[in-house]
Order: sequence, then structure tokens, then C-alpha cells
Amino acid sequence: ETGVTQSPTHLIKTRGQQVTLRCSSQSGHNTVSWYQQALGQGPQFIFQYYREEENGRGNFPPRFSGLQFPNYSSELNVNALELDDSALYLCASSPKTGADTQYFGPGTRLTVL
Amino acid sequence: GDSVTQMEGPVTLSEEAFLTINCTYTATGYPSLFWYVQYPGEGLQLLLKATKADDKGSNKGFEATYRKETTSFHLEKGSVQVSDSAVYFCALIRGRGSTLGRLYFGRGTQLTVWP
Repeated sequence: ETGVTQSPTHLIKTRGQQVTLRCSSQSGHNTVSWYQQALGQGPQFIFQYYREEENGRGNFPPRFSGLQFPNYSSELNVNALELDDSALYLCASSPKTGADTQYFGPGTRLTVL
Repeated sequence: GDSVTQMEGPVTLSEEAFLTINCTYTATGYPSLFWYVQYPGEGLQLLLKATKADDKGSNKGFEATYRKETTSFHLEKGSVQVSDSAVYFCALIRGRGSTLGRLYFGRGTQLTVWP
């Protein structure tokens, strides 16, 4: 059984650019959540996708957007990058939405210069 | 709103010492509680979980008991090893009646174990 995978592993962008991060969910999982983890902090919820629809959003501006595809893989897009967007971005999948265990990928380390 | 408070780190222990990392929570309803571990340069790994009051989660010698009366979920291990050095996160997810599986995390506790 393949776990959650994310790409790329590392990324360096400059302020104002746009970035797309990708996530493949674990086999059999239809729900994907994205989290931002700033250095030295706990992960913060960005949003969740369930069956290709956004199923809830944390306190992040609209320049953070996402997609989920029919195979349940997902993308996180961030426009107009700011220095504070530098963080580890974590994707997590679960078999269903609601109060269920989420399994995390290794993350994408984004650095904004 | 929902939140998790963890004891401040870092925690430094000698090998075979006893470990406790305190975690308390605030939540509506009946949350499920988790401990995740993050090794250097990696993502989060689920360590253990408990879904209702008085449940004990356990894995790899770590244990935590869901205490509703004290809203706590403290992590314990009787004898730590160097390989346990990592950052530990306490987290909750809202329980029954919620369709949104949003995890709320504490700030994390850095554990370093010396040989």
C-alpha cells in the first residue's frame, strides 16, 4: 500500500511568484487536507477537499487555493507569494471526512526570497 | 474555539529516563485525540490516538490516556531511547456531528535523548 506522497520536496521562489504543490493520497482515501507548518510551530489547517469539493477552510487568504482530482490527488496553489509563506506544506489523507485519522506526507519545503 | 496546549520544550533526557509531555485541550463535543511525531526533516507520523474518554492509546512503548474530566492527553514512556529524539505534537479532531476533519495542533515539544 502506497502512502501519501508530495512533490516537489523543496522549492525556492521569489516574492510575488506563484507556486503549485502536489499531493497523491493514500490508496482508498477520498479526503485530502493541507496544512502549513512555519518553523518552530504546529501545523495550521489551510483547507480540506472531499470528492473534488472544498469541504472547509482555515484562516488563510483567497490567494491560497486548491483542487482535487477524480483520482483524489490534490494541488495547493499559492499566488502572489509573500515572505511569510515560507514554510513546510503538509498534505494529509483520510478514508473519509469527519473525525478520522489523517495520514501525512513528507511535506514540501517552500522558501520565498 | 478548539485548541491544544502542550508543555513548552525543549525536553532533554538521558537514555532510559521516564518521559511525560503534558497536553490539555479545549473542544466542543467529543473530540478524538492524537499524538504525532516529527523526525528531523520529515513529515508527521501518527504515534497513537484515542477516540473516547478513558481510552488509552499506545504504540512503541508510548502511552496516553484520554481524560475528559481534566481535558488532558499526556504522553508517557517508561524508558526513552536516543532514537525517540524528535518533535511531538498533540492534536485533536472534532468528534461526533462534525463533517469537517480539521486537526488542531499544539506548538510541539522538542525531545532530545542523550546516550
